[in-house]
Amino acid sequence: KNEVEQSPQNLTAQEGEFITINCSYSVGISALHWLQQHPGGGIVSLFMLSSGKKKHGRLIATINIQEKHSSLHITASHPRDSAVYICAVVGETSGSRLTFGEGTQLTVNP
Amino acid sequence: EAGVAQSPRYKIIEKRQSVAFWCNPISGHATLYWYQQILGQGPKLLIQFQNNGVVDDSQLPKDRFSAERLKGVDSTLKIQPAKLEDSAVYLCASSSYRQPYGYTFGSGTRLTVV
Repeated sequence: KNEVEQSPQNLTAQEGEFITINCSYSVGISALHWLQQHPGGGIVSLFMLSSGKKKHGRLIATINIQEKHSSLHITASHPRDSAVYICAVVGETSGSRLTFGEGTQLTVNP
Repeated sequence: EAGVAQSPRYKIIEKRQSVAFWCNPISGHATLYWYQQILGQGPKLLIQFQNNGVVDDSQLPKDRFSAERLKGVDSTLKIQPAKLEDSAVYLCASSSYRQPYGYTFGSGTRLTVV
């Protein structure tokens, strides 16, 4: 079993829909990242969380440390949001090394 | 500030050939990472440098992969000889002492071994 599990693996939505991607992890963490990866391969860091909730534009990320769970929400989704979204954690005993989930492929149709 | 620079963006080689990738991190970032991402999977750490020293290379296939960061700034990752299963995106990332968990990723090098 992976230390970081994401669901769903694939998600197709219509433009304007509210989207939620979930991440569960099994280790104690120092930080959790939500990352966005477009087809060209480069990765952009969306959020880094260690507690609570963060918001940036239409994106919201939450984390529940006790339940070892995080969610990424996208409000009023748009086709340009289509990408792979990856959850990654910095384990408490792994220095600064990231452990990645396998990603969620999001497709938003117009 | 400039981002993490990687080159080349794409590379196609035949199996048993050699290939090298280059990464220039964010200025002042002491920590540099190389990740391998096989299609459909999450990235896997190959090697982590702190300045010019290796912190973690436990998942680097040392029989064919090598990496260096001689002056503690830019880094090269080499594969010699390449195998078909090395086809992947190779990502470089960096972070600073002040924010060790704040990663900046490069745009990656997509390697295809045929």
